[in-house]
Amino acid sequence: ETGVTQTPRHLVMGMTNKKSLKCEQHLGHNAMYWYKQSAKKPLELMFVYSLEERVENNSVPSRFSPECPNSSHLFLHLHTLQPEDSALYLCASSQERTGLTYNEQFFGPGTRLTVL
Amino acid sequence: KQEVTQIPAALSVPEGENLVLNCSFTDSAIYNLQWFRQDPGKGLTSLLLIQSSQREQTSGRLNASLDKSSGRSTLYIAASQPGDSATYLCAVFGNTGKLIFGQGTTLQVKP
Repeated sequence: ETGVTQTPRHLVMGMTNKKSLKCEQHLGHNAMYWYKQSAKKPLELMFVYSLEERVENNSVPSRFSPECPNSSHLFLHLHTLQPEDSALYLCASSQERTGLTYNEQFFGPGTRLTVL
Repeated sequence: KQEVTQIPAALSVPEGENLVLNCSFTDSAIYNLQWFRQDPGKGLTSLLLIQSSQREQTSGRLNASLDKSSGRSTLYIAASQPGDSATYLCAVFGNTGKLIFGQGTTLQVKP
């Protein structure tokens, strides 16, 4: 596998379910990101991890819980979601995440989540 | 607050046409601007990255320009092909330390 991979590619869950999204990067990067892409809205940054430490949390509801066990893996744990949480969830990685210096981000294919 | 707008939201052209996609941003204090391509249900593929000190970047049939002072960028696609059909996203990186995206332009190139 190369680049950034995400599993599953599609997920349908009920509002009371607990599920997890997985992201893995094979680029040797130190920073990883979760984005949400809803229909007819721009991509929204959710979380940023740098060297396995969360450095950004953009007012995301607590029903979304990220986890970064090492620099290659990133998870998004989902619990008690709402139908409006249905979206494409994209993972990205970059070499570093150093303040105002842009490190090019590389994106995975996304997980299409549907909440019933 | 930085806002990025892309016009038009959707575009349909016959194969072979040259076309221009537009991106505007409200805060000109950016460090760079990036154009991405997104195929339906897929992730983002980077097309061109323009640093704030640059005026344009070219890759094959694609040319992106940047005018920081007016808060605008254009993506020019020459001799469009059906395989160019996708959503094109513009994103800027500035003093928020984040990529701020536009909503995208969905392009359909008809054979």
